[in-house]
Amino acid sequence: DTGVSQNPRHKITKRGQNVTFRCDPISEHNRLYWYRQTLGQGPEFLTYFQNEAQLEKSRLLSDRFSAERPKGSFSTLEIQRTEQGDSAMYLCASSRGGYTEAFFGQGTRLTVV
Amino acid sequence: GESVGLHLPTLSVQEGDNSIINCAYSNSASDYFIWYKQESGKGPQFIIDIRSNMDKRQGQRVTVLLNKTVKHLSLQIAATQPGDSAVYFCAENEDSSYKLIFGSGTRLLVRP
Repeated sequence: DTGVSQNPRHKITKRGQNVTFRCDPISEHNRLYWYRQTLGQGPEFLTYFQNEAQLEKSRLLSDRFSAERPKGSFSTLEIQRTEQGDSAMYLCASSRGGYTEAFFGQGTRLTVV
Repeated sequence: GESVGLHLPTLSVQEGDNSIINCAYSNSASDYFIWYKQESGKGPQFIIDIRSNMDKRQGQRVTVLLNKTVKHLSLQIAATQPGDSAVYFCAENEDSSYKLIFGSGTRLLVRP
């Protein structure tokens, strides 16, 4: 499969625990985006990387959230001290140019209990 | 699979009919718009886009219309097929930002 890969697909965690998700973009895509989607809503932007540089970050990304893309390839999104309100689908997308060429992964579904 | 939208507005059409999905966007400074299709358990899939210097763009079986005066976007799907059943989102973007702002979505159901 040469699409955007996200792992794990599902994660159930207890409130207060830390979780980390991984996104492997399409090879040679220098742009990478993270979005969060709750049931019944459209995705909400979290952050954007161009190569390894984090160029834009949403106010939704609180101090408990951090994202990295250390070598300009895969990216990780970490949530510390998870809260029930963090339960959502976390989507990653990558592109070589703009959004016209962006492909989304299938997402990681986080449930905080 | 995942349920994308439990309480979304729903458009139900007969197979073979044309579908029109509407969207009101919020930011008058937005200059780029995209329609996405999202099936259960999958990420959004690009359908068609349009820039603010255009008012109409056609793809294969799909047409997007943009009315900047009233900040309205529509997606027309010709000869709707069962495989078109999904949730459809419009999204807007400003050149000054890398983020897309998504609308709330419409569920399209195609009756056989």
